[in-house]
Amino acid sequence: DTGVSQDPRHKITKRGQNVTFRCDPISEHNRLYWYRQTLGQGPEFLTYFQNEAQLEKSRLLSDRFSAERPKGSFSTLEIQRTEQGDSAMYLCASSLMFGTGVPQETQYFGPGTRLLVL
Amino acid sequence: EDQVTQSPEALRLQEGESSSLNCSYTVSGLRGLFWYRQDPGKGPEFLFTLYSAGEEKEKERLKATLTKKESFLHITAPKPEDSATYLCAVQDNFNKFYFGSGTKLNVKP
Repeated sequence: DTGVSQDPRHKITKRGQNVTFRCDPISEHNRLYWYRQTLGQGPEFLTYFQNEAQLEKSRLLSDRFSAERPKGSFSTLEIQRTEQGDSAMYLCASSLMFGTGVPQETQYFGPGTRLLVL
Repeated sequence: EDQVTQSPEALRLQEGESSSLNCSYTVSGLRGLFWYRQDPGKGPEFLFTLYSAGEEKEKERLKATLTKKESFLHITAPKPEDSATYLCAVQDNFNKFYFGSGTKLNVKP
C-alpha cells in the first residue's frame, strides 16, 4: 500500500460552483479524517468517519459542506456554492483505531487538495 | 479550551547548529502527542507519537521528548534537507485532535 491518496491535487473554481474531493485511505484503516489548512496555520479538524459512520463534525463545517464514506472505504468531501473564504488546502488522514485497549492512534496524511476559489 | 502552542514560529539555523522546538499544550486528558514534518505544498509526514510524560523517541537527527505540559523536538547537527515546517498535534480523551501552527525551520548550508 502506498499510503493515503487524494484527488485532485489542485482545483481552481469560480465562486458559486460546487466542488468534490476524493480521499482513498490506507486500506486497512478504519478511521478517516478531513482537515482544512490555510497558509501559516496548522490543520483544522472538519469531520471524521469510523468505517462508514460519520462520528463528528466541526462547527467549522457549514451546511455547504458534506462528506460521505460509502462502504467504509474512500471518502468524498463536497463544497456547494463555493466562496473565496473556502480557498485552502484540504487534507485527508486515516488511522487504525483498535478497540478500547489502545488509547491513542496515529494519523497518516495524504498529499492534500489545494482549492482556489476565484 | 484545549490548545496547542508552538514556538518559535520560525527558526533559522546554520548547518550543524543544534536547537530545540517547543510544543506546549493544555488538553482534557492527553492520549497522545504527535510530531509531523510538512514540506511546502505537501501533506504532513508522520515523525513520532509520544504517549506519556518522560517518554523519548529518536529518528536520525531528531529526538522528541514529552513532559506533562510540553514536548520538545531536538534537532542535532541539522542539515539543509531538514528545512520544513514541524507540526505538533495532541489527541485528547474525547478523541479530538488539535494542531499547533507549526515551527518553520530553515537550515542554511
